[in-house]
Amino acid sequence: KNEVEQSPQNLTAQEGEFITINCSYSVGISALHWLQQHPGGGIVSLFMLSSGKKKHGRLIATINIQEKHSSLHITASHPRDSAVYICAVGWWGKLTFGTGTRLTIIP
Amino acid sequence: GAVVSQHPSWVICKSGTSVKIECRSLDFQATTMFWYRQFPKQSLMLMATSNEGSKATYEQGVEKDKFLINHASLTLSTLTVTSAHPEDSSFYICSAKVPSNQPQHFGDGTRLSIL
Repeated sequence: KNEVEQSPQNLTAQEGEFITINCSYSVGISALHWLQQHPGGGIVSLFMLSSGKKKHGRLIATINIQEKHSSLHITASHPRDSAVYICAVGWWGKLTFGTGTRLTIIP
Repeated sequence: GAVVSQHPSWVICKSGTSVKIECRSLDFQATTMFWYRQFPKQSLMLMATSNEGSKATYEQGVEKDKFLINHASLTLSTLTVTSAHPEDSSFYICSAKVPSNQPQHFGDGTRLSIL
């Protein structure tokens, strides 16, 4: 069993829909990261959180430490949100990654 | 904001060649950088932790003599794939750790293809 599990693996939605991507982990962490990887491979850090909830624009990330679960939400999704979203858990900088969720937003 | 530059972005070379990849922090000092590898349709995997002025720490299963890491300054870490073979073909990406509670900053990655 992977230490970091993401669901769904693939998600296709219509523009404007509310998107939720889930992440569960089984190890101790100092922080959880949500990353966005575009087709060329480059990675952008979206959030780093160790408790509660963070919001940046249309993106919201939540984490429940007791349940070892995090969610990434995208409101009013747009085709430019199409990418692979990766959950990673960190122990003082060293990251373990989930397999990613490939999101496709159709206009 | 902080930026990490990785070079080259794409390399094709013959089997047996050694390839050097650079990772630079452009506007901040990074005492710790990380090197990752991603095979097609797989997760990113941490290869090694690069610490400025000291030896890198390699993850289990990563050959330190094959993947040479040098972190000679606070803004530059290099990964050299020595005597590369087709099975080393992969996407290599670095990240730099910034102080305290800030996310890591990632380079754009290097796609390595060994013929």
